[in-house]
Amino acid sequence: DAKTTQPTSMDCAEGRAANLPCNHSTISGNEYVYWYRQIHSQGPQYIIHGLKNNETNEMASLIITEDRKSSTLILPHATLRDTAVYYCIVRNNAGNMLTFGGGTRLMVKP
Amino acid sequence: GAGVSQSPRYKVAKRGQDVALRCDPISGHVSLFWYQQALGQGPEFLTYFQNEAQLDKSGLPSDRFFAERPEGSVSTLKIQRTQQEDSAVYLCASSPGTRIGAGQFFGPGTRLTVL
Repeated sequence: DAKTTQPTSMDCAEGRAANLPCNHSTISGNEYVYWYRQIHSQGPQYIIHGLKNNETNEMASLIITEDRKSSTLILPHATLRDTAVYYCIVRNNAGNMLTFGGGTRLMVKP
Repeated sequence: GAGVSQSPRYKVAKRGQDVALRCDPISGHVSLFWYQQALGQGPEFLTYFQNEAQLDKSGLPSDRFFAERPEGSVSTLKIQRTQQEDSAVYLCASSPGTRIGAGQFFGPGTRLTVL
């Protein structure tokens, strides 16, 4: 699976949009981009995934660049409960396991 | 509905003891995964079951680690002769299938501390 690069940490003001970037320049054509988050002392939680089109669900939006070498997870109105480590994962069709990197520690501040 | 549950939530073991960690996946989920998460790190894959078959155990760090899922539902991760480096959170995840879109649903983890 392709390697991903994310900033180690980010801050966001409560109520503002949180934009979390991820680079995956070696992604191949059959690999999807997944986002999970892990709130302190909990297991990771699935957020969203996509292949090449932008995706939106009740939790977040995923914007994937046209060349698919990077993506951005958008939390439109961050709350204090969104404070967590956010993991960007690239996963191919045949893979079953998730390969987590270091993730981005998002701190939402009042 | 009920999510993935794990027990115990916390386990303290003396070095050399054997431990058994239990995972109850979401009912009907075909796939089950075990991950190990060291402090400050992301989870790392240990092993994967599809129903009762263990299809991938490449992540198990040593032969002291053993996992089973005999009836295709509940799974147990056993660690023999625990060492201090085994201290970590052990996460279990289940998934309804193997298709690419099937997300994995994680339990809260078992925090193992080996003294």
